[in-house]
Amino acid sequence: ETGVTQTPRHLVMGMTNKKSLKCEQHLGHNAMYWYKQSAKKPLELMFVYNFKEQTENNSVPSRFSPECPNSSHLFLHLHTLQPEDSALYLCASSPHRAKPAGELFFGEGSRLTVL
Amino acid sequence: KNQVEQSPQSLIILEGKNCTLQCNYTVSPFSNLRWYKQDTGRGPVSLTIMTFSENTKSNGRYTATLDADTKQSSLHITASQLSDSASYICVVSAVASGGSYIPTFGRGTSLIVHP
Repeated sequence: ETGVTQTPRHLVMGMTNKKSLKCEQHLGHNAMYWYKQSAKKPLELMFVYNFKEQTENNSVPSRFSPECPNSSHLFLHLHTLQPEDSALYLCASSPHRAKPAGELFFGEGSRLTVL
Repeated sequence: KNQVEQSPQSLIILEGKNCTLQCNYTVSPFSNLRWYKQDTGRGPVSLTIMTFSENTKSNGRYTATLDADTKQSSLHITASQLSDSASYICVVSAVASGGSYIPTFGRGTSLIVHP
């Protein structure tokens, strides 16, 4: 148990659906992240929130919309996705974005399949 | 462009044997290097962190080395166990202007330990 909880663990959706991924951390951290993990590829950073403010958007298509209502919760809203968006979406947290030695604490991931 | 290359891509060994995983990087300015273990269907978990001045660090049966001159790191696993079967990801962080850190992920080495 890493202290970062993601729901749902598995999600299957059609290209016209709207769904959301949820992440909650119980570690008192101030920075939260969304990563995409595709087969045979390195983890790709999507969004960074530091103290509830979005500090990075890594050229992510607008069909992915993040929301961070507070430092403990992070959402990823999904709409009109494409089959190539199928992947494992990992949420992570760290004490602070600007700590060079900061360890990332990952959730278990949400496995998304787009039909 | 910051890059992290890991080898081999996959590795199969017998239980009880030792193995070494490699990580080469071109990340600047270097802050630290972490090895993460990712079990199937789970999120990555940090094993070790290496900073510029450290050459070797152990965590149980895992020993990481760092050669900052050649920009290489290795992860040595001693007396492997079935539970060591996982993907091992090398992550090298650079310090960006403004003090935030930018992690670059390798693709990972998939290790399978057979009984």
